[in-house]
Amino acid sequence: GAGVSQSPSNKVTEKGKDVELRCDPISGHTALYWYRQSLGQGLEFLIYFQGNSAPDKSGLPSDRFSAERTGGSVSTLTIQRTQQEDSAVYLCASSTQAGSTDTQYFGPGTRLTVL
Amino acid sequence: AQTVTQSQPEMSVQEAETVTLSCTYDTSESDYYLFWYKQPPSRQMILVIRQEAYKQQNATENRFSVNFQKAAKSFSLKISDSQLGDAAMYFCAYRSRSEKLVFGKGTKLTVNP
Repeated sequence: GAGVSQSPSNKVTEKGKDVELRCDPISGHTALYWYRQSLGQGLEFLIYFQGNSAPDKSGLPSDRFSAERTGGSVSTLTIQRTQQEDSAVYLCASSTQAGSTDTQYFGPGTRLTVL
Repeated sequence: AQTVTQSQPEMSVQEAETVTLSCTYDTSESDYYLFWYKQPPSRQMILVIRQEAYKQQNATENRFSVNFQKAAKSFSLKISDSQLGDAAMYFCAYRSRSEKLVFGKGTKLTVNP
């Protein structure tokens, strides 16, 4: 079946602009995760959604970052007033349900470049 | 906080040979899961193998196997009969009751023909 998809594949923006990154999880997966992969910091957890529960936002680096998940499916990660340090690959993952037994499956990521 | 350490930034192996990638982790939890993910240049993170901490038997997936030493908090990945397509970044990851994965810094594997 179809895997996790993300769009756009690449995004170049100017410092100070807002950007939106989209993630379509695997159909039927109720848990969705965002991670950031940068040269200096490696792979970092950003935010996690599970069904209708309040999201775990503990990994968001600043209040410029926000995410929503509409209808329990598609998720959008928004970065406001982008800074050069926001340049990274943003990875989305999904799993069948919350719980330690479930494997997270990743999308191809969005490479964000802030000029 | 849990941490994952991969002490080998880069490794190389000859095609058809065997290579072992190291991973250690730090946790006070008793129930957790460990993973190896592969990331080729396409950026897609692909699950290679997973291990449940409560299982004593080491996980195996075709040419990939792990050596899980719970007391030593070690979780190494062995790739047998290495193929050119195995060349990639390999990430060790940890997950407990918290939903997030904690990743190591990665090991870049080169396979020489």
